[in-house]
Amino acid sequence: LAKTTQPISMDSYEGQEVNITCSHNNIATNDYITWYQQFPSQGPRFIIQGYKTKVTNEVASLFIPADRKSSTLSLPRVSLSDTAVYYCLVGRGGTSGTYKYIFGTGTRLKVLA
Amino acid sequence: DARVTQTPRHKVTEMGQEVTMRCQPILGHNTVFWYRQTMMQGLELLAYFRNRAPLDDSGMPKDRFSAEMPDATLATLKIQPSEPRDSAVYFCASGPTGDGNQPQHFGDGTRLSIL
Repeated sequence: LAKTTQPISMDSYEGQEVNITCSHNNIATNDYITWYQQFPSQGPRFIIQGYKTKVTNEVASLFIPADRKSSTLSLPRVSLSDTAVYYCLVGRGGTSGTYKYIFGTGTRLKVLA
Repeated sequence: DARVTQTPRHKVTEMGQEVTMRCQPILGHNTVFWYRQTMMQGLELLAYFRNRAPLDDSGMPKDRFSAEMPDATLATLKIQPSEPRDSAVYFCASGPTGDGNQPQHFGDGTRLSIL
């Protein structure tokens, strides 16, 4: 199974745009890419999901190049409350309707005032 | 907002004891996942169920771990006997279909400490 890799940590200032990249070199044709946010003592929370090109919702954008070997989560204008760990998840289609889900190592984002 | 509920939130026990963690998935979701999170390994998928049937438990140590869904509103993860290396946060998540393109909804976890 493919391993996903992300930067361990990032710092940013309030109001800036933050881009977090996830590498998934062995992504398969039927895999989707999903990003989650996790605060301390809480479970991960869904942010955005995509298959190819660009997806945007009210909180983030997701950019996926044509080869799909990486993806970039973009948070447009971060605030202190965006300080969290961000995970990239590749949904791996398996045989007989089963799936393997691979979480990235997580990127610890710290937003500074 | 509908939520996944996990109990207990915290559990401290001595090695060798049986531990049972419970999860109530979101009503109407037919897929349930169990994950373990540690500093060293991050988030690991242990097992998952669809329509109460186990589809994949290859991530789970079979000799001491067991996962079941007695009914559609309850999933359990048991460890017997427990060992200090089982100390971790255990998350349950549910999803509407379990497909790779469906978001998972996580509970807030059970923090397990085995002394």
